[in-house]
Amino acid sequence: DQQVKQNSPSLSVQEGRISILNCDYTNSMFDYFLWYKKYPAEGPTFLISISSIKDKNEDGRFTVFLNKSAKHLSLHIVPSQPGDSAVYFCAAMTGNQFYFGTGTSLTVIP
Amino acid sequence: SAVISQKPSRDICQRGTSLTIQCQVDSQVTMMFWYRQQPGQSLTLIATANQGSEATYESGFVIDKFPISRPNLTFSTLTVSNMSPEDSSIYLCSAGGGTGYDQQYFGPGTRLTVT
Repeated sequence: DQQVKQNSPSLSVQEGRISILNCDYTNSMFDYFLWYKKYPAEGPTFLISISSIKDKNEDGRFTVFLNKSAKHLSLHIVPSQPGDSAVYFCAAMTGNQFYFGTGTSLTVIP
Repeated sequence: SAVISQKPSRDICQRGTSLTIQCQVDSQVTMMFWYRQQPGQSLTLIATANQGSEATYESGFVIDKFPISRPNLTFSTLTVSNMSPEDSSIYLCSAGGGTGYDQQYFGPGTRLTVT
């Protein structure tokens, strides 16, 4: 049972434009959400997070939006850069338990 | 933050054999975890490696198949036993502070192919 879903396996964006990666979840008990970035042959690295008491968190070019009523979160990258090309995983937490999505492969075209 | 290394980085193994993956953290951590990522699948938690006691396994994973050791606060091993081609996957070690909202730090992963 996939509690965290990323329905777009891949996304291509032109350099300088906005990248929007989406994530949906089913468990209303999730209270913390995270995005991880993964390059080939490396482990995922933490990117940005948001608590369920907020609806937006911004860190430089990265902004995460949370819509609790829709059980949806998104990651916006503005402006997108070629170095952002990677697989992005969203994750949701309850207690110490992490649940990951299947990932979206982002390609930023120079 | 924590820097995590894994050995081996990849291996090709024969059906029926076992492989032990090592995970080393550069600092003492409360929580260590083992994940599996099969092709096209999400990261799936196998177990939480508990220091000085038996690991806590998630549904669908058992100690006989995936024995785990955690002798101290910086090191853990995962053994994939009696392997079959279905065990071909990337195995990732991660570590976290264990306070609930700390992000996890991941190792580079071990790519296992079983023939």
